[in-house]
Amino acid sequence: GENVEQHPSTLSVQEGDSAVIKCTYSDSASNYFPWYKQELGKGPQLIIDIRSNVGEKKDQRIAVTLNKTAKHFSLHITETQPEDSAVYFCAASKSNFGNEKLTFGTGTRLTIIP
Amino acid sequence: GAVVSQHPSWVICKSGTSVKIECRSLDFQATTMFWYRQFPKQSLMLMATSNEGSKATYEQGVEKDKFLINHASLTLSTLTVTSAHPEDSSFYICSAQDGFTGELFFGEGSRLTVL
Repeated sequence: GENVEQHPSTLSVQEGDSAVIKCTYSDSASNYFPWYKQELGKGPQLIIDIRSNVGEKKDQRIAVTLNKTAKHFSLHITETQPEDSAVYFCAASKSNFGNEKLTFGTGTRLTIIP
Repeated sequence: GAVVSQHPSWVICKSGTSVKIECRSLDFQATTMFWYRQFPKQSLMLMATSNEGSKATYEQGVEKDKFLINHASLTLSTLTVTSAHPEDSSFYICSAQDGFTGELFFGEGSRLTVL
């Protein structure tokens, strides 16, 4: 089955700087890669996703890049703010809308230092 | 936007009792729902996939007789933890797939503590 690895496990960034989180996946058939933000005691919230026919996607301060050949994708957060502090999970699935099961990465605890 | 509601958001029970957690899609019909379990500081692990009107598909290592899943309608799936023990204490999260758009939405989670 699919295996998703995520690095780093913890990341501290000065407010205003950029944060980058990286994930690799094992199944070349995976074609949908969402990123979730999870705050303490809450469910995961989709922040951005990318499908295999696109190499990069951006939404304001958040961007995701995908390298299908290398089977890795990354989350980029620019101009970080204190409210960006949370745990971030990458995930992968074989379907464009996640209607097959998602395999999650191990998570990255992001701390923004004011 | 679409909302998935879980109830209760937290529950404490005694060892040996059963607990039911509900997952509702509030403004869309969910043909498929997924149940995850998340231990502290760990990732979400899929427990089972639930399709409306049929038996749930459980992931390897998940006891189907202990974690009963019912998806009797297009807006409701329930997870019942039977004969709960302290090791079942966890954060249980559901997600629901919009049967029309295919989009996936997560609930806010239910924290179970078994004493």
